[in-house]
Amino acid sequence: GEQVEQRPPHLSVREGDSAFIICTYTDSATAYFYWYKQEPGAGLQLLMSVFSNVDRKEEQGLTVLLNKKDKRLSLNLTAAHPGDSAVYFCAVENTEGADRLTFGKGTQLIIQP
Amino acid sequence: EAAVTQSPRNKVAVTGGKVTLSCNQTNNHNNMYWYRQDTGHGLRLIHYSYGAGSTEKGDIPDGYKASRPSQENFSLILELATPSQTSVYFCASGTGGGDTQYFGPGTRLLVL
Repeated sequence: GEQVEQRPPHLSVREGDSAFIICTYTDSATAYFYWYKQEPGAGLQLLMSVFSNVDRKEEQGLTVLLNKKDKRLSLNLTAAHPGDSAVYFCAVENTEGADRLTFGKGTQLIIQP
Repeated sequence: EAAVTQSPRNKVAVTGGKVTLSCNQTNNHNNMYWYRQDTGHGLRLIHYSYGAGSTEKGDIPDGYKASRPSQENFSLILELATPSQTSVYFCASGTGGGDTQYFGPGTRLLVL
């Protein structure tokens, strides 16, 4: 089945700097890609979703890049601020997966003042 | 904004006891999901459902049962709870086919 590797598991950046998180997946039938944010004690909040026909998507200081050839998905947070401190998860879904998501293990992001 | 609620939010159970975790969604989504979240594992799918009366096994179904009595409600049942089932459990709902899943706030379960 689908395997998703996410790295780094922990990331600390200074306020105003960029944070970069990467996920790799194994199933070439993967069609839908998601980034979620989880704040302490809360559920997962969708940040951005990308379909496989999109290579790059930007929204509100977030950039998602999709490289289907290398089966790689990345999230770049530009100009990080303290409110960005959270755990970030990538998730993927393929067209044959019966609407099931496979998650990466998460990245704990800390924004230092 | 999609609304998914879970109850209880926190639960302490004894080994061998029965635990029922409840999830309710008001968005008329066909699909509902139960995950557990553990450090070092991310979120893992336990059971899911395509609609009332349907339940499907996820990636780690052993020791868990699920029930979907209606479109709105999806329960996770631990018939004989074990300490290894101590975790945070999340429910989610969605329509599938590339549409996002909406998550509840989670239930923290401690099995002693």
